[in-house]
Formats: sequence, C-alpha cells, structure tokens
Amino acid sequence: KQEVTQIPAALSVPEGENLVLNCSFTDSAIYNLQWFRQDPGKGLTSLLLIQSSQREQTSGRLNASLDKSSGRSTLYIAASQPGDSATYLCAVMDGTASKLTFGTGTRLQVTL
Amino acid sequence: DAGITQSPRHKVTETGTPVTLRCHQTENHRYMYWYRQDPGHGLRLIHYSYGVKDTDKGEVSDGYSVSRSKTEDFLLTLESATSSQTSVYFCAISDGGIWTEAFFGQGTRLTVV
Repeated sequence: KQEVTQIPAALSVPEGENLVLNCSFTDSAIYNLQWFRQDPGKGLTSLLLIQSSQREQTSGRLNASLDKSSGRSTLYIAASQPGDSATYLCAVMDGTASKLTFGTGTRLQVTL
Repeated sequence: DAGITQSPRHKVTETGTPVTLRCHQTENHRYMYWYRQDPGHGLRLIHYSYGVKDTDKGEVSDGYSVSRSKTEDFLLTLESATSSQTSVYFCAISDGGIWTEAFFGQGTRLTVV
C-alpha cells in the first residue's frame, strides 16, 4: 500500500524567504506526482505535475523535483509572499488505476 | 478552471437518513473520484470510476456506494448516514495516464447530527 508523508506539518517563514517542502512515498512504481495548494475552506488547486521519468518541473516561483528511486519530491518556493500562505499537498498517482494517494499536507504561513 | 460542480455544497442531515452527493463534469474525463478529507487523515479515496458503470472501491468505502450512469455524473450515496461520515467530500476528475493532472471540485461539507 502506498504511503505518502509530508514534512514539516507546519511552517512559518517571513516574507521573502526561499523555502522547501518535502514529500516522500513508499512505492516508487508511480505514474506521476502532483503538488496541490489548498486555501482554507476551498478545494484543491493543481500547482505542478511531474511525470515519473522527469526530474523537475517549474512554474513561476515554484520548482518541484522528483527522485523516484529514493521516493522523494521537494517543492521549492522562491521569494515567498503572504499570498503563498496555504496548505500544500503532494499526491502520487499509481500505475494501475490512476488513483491518487495524498500526503497530509504542510500548512505554510508567510508573515509580513 | 476545470468544469467540475459538486452539489450540494453544504448539507446537514440526521443519523440514519440516506444522502446523495452529486459530481458533474463538463470535461469528458474518463476517471472520476470521491475523496473525503478529515483532520489528521488528509484526503482518502472512497470510490472511483474508470468509465460509465465501471466503479471500484477505495480505502474507505464502507458505508458508501456510487453510481455512474453517464460520463459527466458521478453520485456518492451514504445509505444510512452516521456521525463518523461527517466530513468534507471532494470529487476529482482525471483523463488517466502519466501526463494527466487531476482536478478537484470545491467540496461538499456534510454534517451528520
């Protein structure tokens, strides 16, 4: 059974800092890994998708890396802003029925 | 934004009553999913569908059933609601495959009293 872990569970940083969120998974037989953002009381917004053979993917200030063999992914956020405050979730899609397994998320607060 | 609509958005119901949540998509995606989100547990898969009338169980399927009679609609039914089913329910869609993102609806907050 796939298990996904995210560390830290919560993080508070001052505006302007660069930060790294971590995601690890136990079964490396994945199709892809996706990072999501969730604001309080809202749905999930897809941020980045990394296909299993890729090493990294970038979108604006966000960069996600994937090391499938070690079961790890990181989400790097450059020059953090208060608007980045949210919960960040990683999810891996398995290779059988396209099911996503989620981590429990990292709650990020960016302070002024 | 992907065209996914969940209804209702909020519902309060009594223990023992049946409840049906609806997910409607306009993207013609093959896969549809129902997740529940609870503090400390994250999102857990209840049921999913890989085509019309093709469904399968997820990790927390007890007490839930689903139906998909059309590509665009995926219904989640709680046959007899219990307080442990108080949660936020999310529908998601995907086209399947390695390049496909999953897109989520806005969620349904269900309270069973």
